[in-house]
Amino acid sequence: DAGVIQSPRHEVTEMGQEVTLRCKPISGHNSLFWYRQTMMRGLELLIYFNNNVPIDDSGMPEDRFSAKMPNASFSTLKIQPSEPRDSAVYFCASNTGTDKGEQYFGPGTRLTVT
Amino acid sequence: AQSVSQHNHHVILSEAASLELGCNYSYGGTVNLFWYVQYPGQHLQLLLKYFSGDPLVKGIKGFEAEFIKSKFSFNLRKPSVQWSDTAEYFCAVRNQGGKLIFGQGTELSVKP
Repeated sequence: DAGVIQSPRHEVTEMGQEVTLRCKPISGHNSLFWYRQTMMRGLELLIYFNNNVPIDDSGMPEDRFSAKMPNASFSTLKIQPSEPRDSAVYFCASNTGTDKGEQYFGPGTRLTVT
Repeated sequence: AQSVSQHNHHVILSEAASLELGCNYSYGGTVNLFWYVQYPGQHLQLLLKYFSGDPLVKGIKGFEAEFIKSKFSFNLRKPSVQWSDTAEYFCAVRNQGGKLIFGQGTELSVKP
């Protein structure tokens, strides 16, 4: 299995621009999670989906952030407009929901907003 | 609010030294507990997990962790570290709502 796939791996953009991060979960997994990792705040859960439906988005920092999961094999995290404080590594993870919480992480997208 | 606390932010050891990383959680219900490792520049990988049964859990690469319910702790141990264990280690708890809550992480540096 290819594991969780994320793209792009690195993104550098200017403040005010729209940024879209992409994730393909492991085939057969029905839960998908978006995390943000920074030095200051550590690893934070932003939102997670179960069967393509957002279950908990309480971690989404503000309205500039939005996430979608149009089908079982694809999700996006969008930031519009981006700000320098959004610079972080964004991880996507997935699991089957029946394996008691073990999540499989993607390689992450390192976002730099200048 | 549920939380996970890792007491050590940065630990520096020499090769062959023993390791113990502390982890405490605040959640009174049934929990699943995890330790993840993040090698430099890489994504998180599962080291070990506890769901039920024997509170002493063996993981990959010689790591183990002990679940002590009365202390709400799940400390990670390794009898003899190697330079290749240099990484950041995250303790996490999954509550009945399905969310994984991570600790702040402990950076381990092993000197050759």
